Amino acid sequence: DVKVTQSSRYLVKRTGEKVFLECVQDMDHENMFWYRQDPGLGLRLIYFSYDVKMKEKGDISEGYSVSREKKERFSLILESASTNQTSMYLCASSPGTGTEAFFGQGTRLTVV
Amino acid sequence: SQQGEEDPQALSIQEGENATMNCSYKTSINNLQWYRQNSGRGLVHLILIRSNEREKHSGRLRVTLDTSKKSSSLLITASRAADTASYFCAYGPGANSKLTFGKGITLSVRP
Repeated sequence: DVKVTQSSRYLVKRTGEKVFLECVQDMDHENMFWYRQDPGLGLRLIYFSYDVKMKEKGDISEGYSVSREKKERFSLILESASTNQTSMYLCASSPGTGTEAFFGQGTRLTVV
Repeated sequence: SQQGEEDPQALSIQEGENATMNCSYKTSINNLQWYRQNSGRGLVHLILIRSNEREKHSGRLRVTLDTSKKSSSLLITASRAADTASYFCAYGPGANSKLTFGKGITLSVRP
């Protein structure tokens, strides 16, 4: 079975901290995604990557950056956490074009 | 925003009834997918329909796609209490492309 693992289920950080959310997939997938999910807004794409060291901005990338140094790992970085980044963060991977995405269990981040 | 819209936002039905959910999108697509999310968990893929297909079945699920209207529907037949979850449509325009999700539909199936 494909496994997408996010490093934390729950995280509490202080305003202004630099925050790293880690995601690892074990199926050699080309594509990886980071979404945030907020009530009433559904899933909104932050960044996606279709190859190692390749990345593209999603719809709400401001305040975030990403790193993909190895194929299996895709990290989301909050450069300076703010309270409006309190949210559920979901990582996903997919093998390639027109295929299903596999999701991690999510990280609920609270910025205080 | 290219985010799609699902309709209705919330649906409450009795066990055994059918549930129909609709999705509209704004861009050209390569395929459209439906996902389910149980409370507080990650999303699970249900079914994928390609842009050159009009209908697809998988168990109790039936999905249709009308590319001329940029819309899709998901039908769950003979619903069960365990079908209670949020449902999302998702789509992408093609190769190495981002996957855009709608805002989701909350389905409640009463025992």
